[in-house]
Amino acid sequence: DAGVIQSPRHEVTEMGQEVTLRCKPISGHNSLFWYRQTMMRGLELLIYFNNNVPIDDSGMPEDRFSAKMPNASFSTLKIQPSEPRDSAVYFCASSLSPAGHQPQHFGDGTRLSIL
Amino acid sequence: QKEVEQNSGPLSVPEGAIASLNCTYSDRGSQSFFWYRQYSGKSPELIMSIYSNGDKEDGRFTAQLNKASQYVSLLIRDSQPSDSATYLCAVNNAGNMLTFGGGTRLMVKP
Repeated sequence: DAGVIQSPRHEVTEMGQEVTLRCKPISGHNSLFWYRQTMMRGLELLIYFNNNVPIDDSGMPEDRFSAKMPNASFSTLKIQPSEPRDSAVYFCASSLSPAGHQPQHFGDGTRLSIL
Repeated sequence: QKEVEQNSGPLSVPEGAIASLNCTYSDRGSQSFFWYRQYSGKSPELIMSIYSNGDKEDGRFTAQLNKASQYVSLLIRDSQPSDSATYLCAVNNAGNMLTFGGGTRLMVKP
């Protein structure tokens, strides 16, 4: 079975540019999560969708970050404009519901570097 | 106080020994607990889930849960160098999401 698929795997761009990260969850999973991981702050939840609806976006750092889930098989995380402090590994994960009681399965992540 | 706490390590054990990884959590209402393994440069990988007090065994791994004391642990028997990784504890919270600990780095020395 295909796991969570993220693209791109690596992204290097200059400060001020728009960055779009993509995620395809596991088929049948109706909960989707975006995380950011850095050495300093560990794994941070950015936003959580259930049945394509954003449930909790309290982890989104600021208005420069936005996320969408137009259908059950696709989600995007967008940063505009990007800043060097956004450099991190961004993971997408999906699970069955109820989200807190089911294991989450992670994609391979996108390593983002903002110069 | 962090919601899910782990000793960051590194925890160093010799090959063949038992590695014991611990995690404490603050929300008494938590019901679901997970252990993930993360190799350097890779994504977290689920290795164990536990929902009831007591022990749950899967191969060389044993998860232990004590809800009264609010801790969950992971034992790795016959540790191998390939077990060297960061182990993340995750606990469900009131928002129906998972809260992750900071992880414990395990080093198994040949």
